[in-house]
Amino acid sequence: QSVLTQPPSVSGAPGQRVTISCTGSSSNIGAGYDVQWYQQLPGTAPKLLIFGNRNRPSGVPDRFSGSKSGTSASLAITGLQAEDEADYYCQSYDNSLSGSRYVFGTGTKVTVL
Amino acid sequence: EVQLVESGGGLVQPGRSLRLSCAASGFTFDDYAMHWVRQAPGKGLQWVSGISWNSDSIAYADSVRGRFTISRDNAKNSLYLQMSNLRAEDTAFYYCAKGSASVESDNWFDPWGQGTLVTVSS
Repeated sequence: QSVLTQPPSVSGAPGQRVTISCTGSSSNIGAGYDVQWYQQLPGTAPKLLIFGNRNRPSGVPDRFSGSKSGTSASLAITGLQAEDEADYYCQSYDNSLSGSRYVFGTGTKVTVL
Repeated sequence: EVQLVESGGGLVQPGRSLRLSCAASGFTFDDYAMHWVRQAPGKGLQWVSGISWNSDSIAYADSVRGRFTISRDNAKNSLYLQMSNLRAEDTAFYYCAKGSASVESDNWFDPWGQGTLVTVSS
């Protein structure tokens, strides 16, 4: 039951810039909770890519950047490389009348043309 | 190096039980909350449950509350998920993940284990 909406797929040629949107609501992103992004390469476990809306863990290339505004967030990949072909998920925290829980985005498959 | 290794997955009949384990190493286990996240084959990620560093605070997704029980043994650097009354819709890869704080709320997940597959089928 994903609460955060992402486009199913985005694509770009090597070297291009692509962005992935993550749309939430006033009980999660809009409530001020941070947004994280995870990269899942085929057949592997998810890996943290961005935390706290815009911070990159050590080892993550600066080609990846995150931003947040209102009830939405975005992940940008500049200088797209073949190795970036993967599924990407946003994640936040949701606090509503029905309780608190973690929420993930619907996932976006990035294809390098 | 931080490492999380899940075990205990397998094929189980509907209505039966299964216990997953996650062995942690490379960090001070009792400083951090821990979580279980699952992914049905070919589908997206779903948070299942989280537990604070001292087990005082525990949370579950609505879909598993009352059927699953999360626990941890800090002396053994281990996390567990006891799953009961399993349903076909519980079929998924189950990942153990380290939380970003000692409390179980409003974390990020890093790193993740390699996952263990649970298949519920008759």
